[in-house]
Amino acid sequence: AQSVTQLGSHVSVSEGALVLLRCNYSSSVPPYLFWYVQYPNQGLQLLLKYTTGATLVKGINGFEAEFKKSETSFHLTKPSAHMSDAAEYFCAVSDPSGAGSYQLTFGKGTKLSVIP
Amino acid sequence: NAGVTQTPKFQVLKTGQSMTLQCAQDMNHNSMYWYRQDPGMGLRLIYYSASEGTTDKGEVPNGYNVSRLNKREFSLRLESAAPSQTSVYFCASSETGWGNQPQHFGDGTRLSIL
Repeated sequence: AQSVTQLGSHVSVSEGALVLLRCNYSSSVPPYLFWYVQYPNQGLQLLLKYTTGATLVKGINGFEAEFKKSETSFHLTKPSAHMSDAAEYFCAVSDPSGAGSYQLTFGKGTKLSVIP
Repeated sequence: NAGVTQTPKFQVLKTGQSMTLQCAQDMNHNSMYWYRQDPGMGLRLIYYSASEGTTDKGEVPNGYNVSRLNKREFSLRLESAAPSQTSVYFCASSETGWGNQPQHFGDGTRLSIL
């Protein structure tokens, strides 16, 4: 069974500062990995995904994430935070091995606040 | 582009009432999903439909039923609502059921059960 751990339910950064949101997974095989963002009263939007290939993945709005197999991590970063980045961020994994591959397992989310 | 459309957006029910949440997607996707989102819990899968004509249980199916009406539509039914089902419900779809396909989400239905 897979699981996802997001360290920190709330993270606050100053505008212009580095954003780092942590995600670690537990899986018997390297999974497919996703980051989604949720703005208030909206659904989830895909930020970026890792399936195969280059381990550094670039997404929308200046975000990127790096898959580190040895650390079972997929941390999300952005060099300079904007006020518009304030939202809740979810890391999710799916199992590429076949059984249950339809299912995304989500972390509990990290709410990002950006201080002016 | 509408994407995934959920109706209604808000609903208040009394304990024991029934209701159906509707979901439609216009992206010609094969797979559809229902999740619930509770504070501090992330999203949990209730049911999914890998393709038209099939449905399967997810992590938290108790108290719910689903119908894949056609390729576009996937409904979620609460037969006898309970306060524990107060939540925000999201419908999602993906091109196929393979795990490397991203899921596209609707804006949610906020359901309160008194």
